[in-house]
Amino acid sequence: GQSLEQPSEVTAVEGAIVQINCTYQTSGFYGLSWYQQHDGGAPTFLSYNALDGLEETGRFSSFLSRSDSYGYLLLQELQMKDSASYFCAVGGNTDKLIFGTGTRLQVFP
Amino acid sequence: DTAVSQTPKYLVTQMGNDKSIKCEQNLGHDTMYWYKQDSKKFLKIMFSYNNKELIINETVPNRFSPKSPDKAHLNLHINSLELGDSAVYFCASSQVKEPDTQYFGPGTRLTVL
Repeated sequence: GQSLEQPSEVTAVEGAIVQINCTYQTSGFYGLSWYQQHDGGAPTFLSYNALDGLEETGRFSSFLSRSDSYGYLLLQELQMKDSASYFCAVGGNTDKLIFGTGTRLQVFP
Repeated sequence: DTAVSQTPKYLVTQMGNDKSIKCEQNLGHDTMYWYKQDSKKFLKIMFSYNNKELIINETVPNRFSPKSPDKAHLNLHINSLELGDSAVYFCASSQVKEPDTQYFGPGTRLTVL
């Protein structure tokens, strides 16, 4: 089967750096994606890692270690608008994304 | 110039009724999906269509029937609604070669009374 684990909640203050971890168990792993979802909103694609290493997109970076079945999303210079739920998702050989249970990030002033 | 749109945004109905949710994408994608997000925010795929052909059909009650009249539209019809069907339903689309990069519609909040 396929499963993903993420912390349920993370809190931080504005301007700080936060890391959201994701460990996965899947067959036919293709890559790890990250999505952001604000309350009442739709999931929005943030990043995708197919290969090991760090991908940087502005204040957000995503890391993957295929050998450890582990990845993380790094958010820098946190802003209030970053308060949202963050989902990791894995794509495998079944042409579908399996989403993690989500990490709720609360940013305080 | 909305990318993925869904109607209605809210749907409140009685148990036993039949309802439909419509989805349209103008991104030129070949693949469309239906997801269900429950009250604990768990996001689970229900169906996937590639160019009008059903690709993924998860363990979903057969009261749920997707229909894709063309590759830009994917509708979801639900018969005999039950209390447990209450959730937010999201439509999404992607390029067939990039299934990990999906674009979601705004969601339809279904409440069954």
